Amino acid sequence: EAGVVQSPRYKIIEKKQPVAFWCNPISGHNTLYWYRQNLGQGPELLIRYENEEAVDDSQLPKDRFSAERLKGVDSTLKIQPAELGDSAVYLCASSSGQTTDTQYFGPGTRLTVL
Amino acid sequence: AQTVTQSQPEMSVQEAETVTLSCTYDTSESDYYLFWYKQPPSRQMILVIRQEAYKQQNATENRFSVNFQKAAKSFSLKISDSQLGDAAMYFCAYRSGYNDMRFGAGTRLTVKP
Repeated sequence: EAGVVQSPRYKIIEKKQPVAFWCNPISGHNTLYWYRQNLGQGPELLIRYENEEAVDDSQLPKDRFSAERLKGVDSTLKIQPAELGDSAVYLCASSSGQTTDTQYFGPGTRLTVL
Repeated sequence: AQTVTQSQPEMSVQEAETVTLSCTYDTSESDYYLFWYKQPPSRQMILVIRQEAYKQQNATENRFSVNFQKAAKSFSLKISDSQLGDAAMYFCAYRSGYNDMRFGAGTRLTVKP
């Protein structure tokens, strides 16, 4: 069974440029999560999807961040414009949606904003 | 708000020895789940072990076991017979119901040959 797939693995951009990250969850997983992990810290949730609906986006900086999961499968997270403080690893995770279920993580995208 | 604290930023262990990583959490919930995730340098977070709060028996997965003390809100991870491949960042995490999963700041484990 394929795991959570993310691309790209690395991205270097200059500040004020846009950037997008893509995630494909484990097949059959209805719940998808985007996390941001700053250096030396644990992941922090940005947004959670149940199928195509964003059910928790309270931690998403909506002035510059957006996300979509149009068909309830893969998802895109976008930052526009990027700021220096956005440098971090962006992790995607998925689960079956049950409260008892484990979240499975992708390898992440390391973003560097210069 | 629920918080997870890992008080050991770094730990080291000799190969084949045993090491215990500490985790405490704060919650007013009675039903919740606790996790230990491993994150090697490749960055992929891998589930090591999970514990349901309603279960009194400590979870065990091969060389990994936990000491879950619900009253003390403590959830430590014991790694027995440490191997070089165990070197990684270890994150303790908490989740209740449909709420966010909260992670600690992590403990970097070094395994010395």
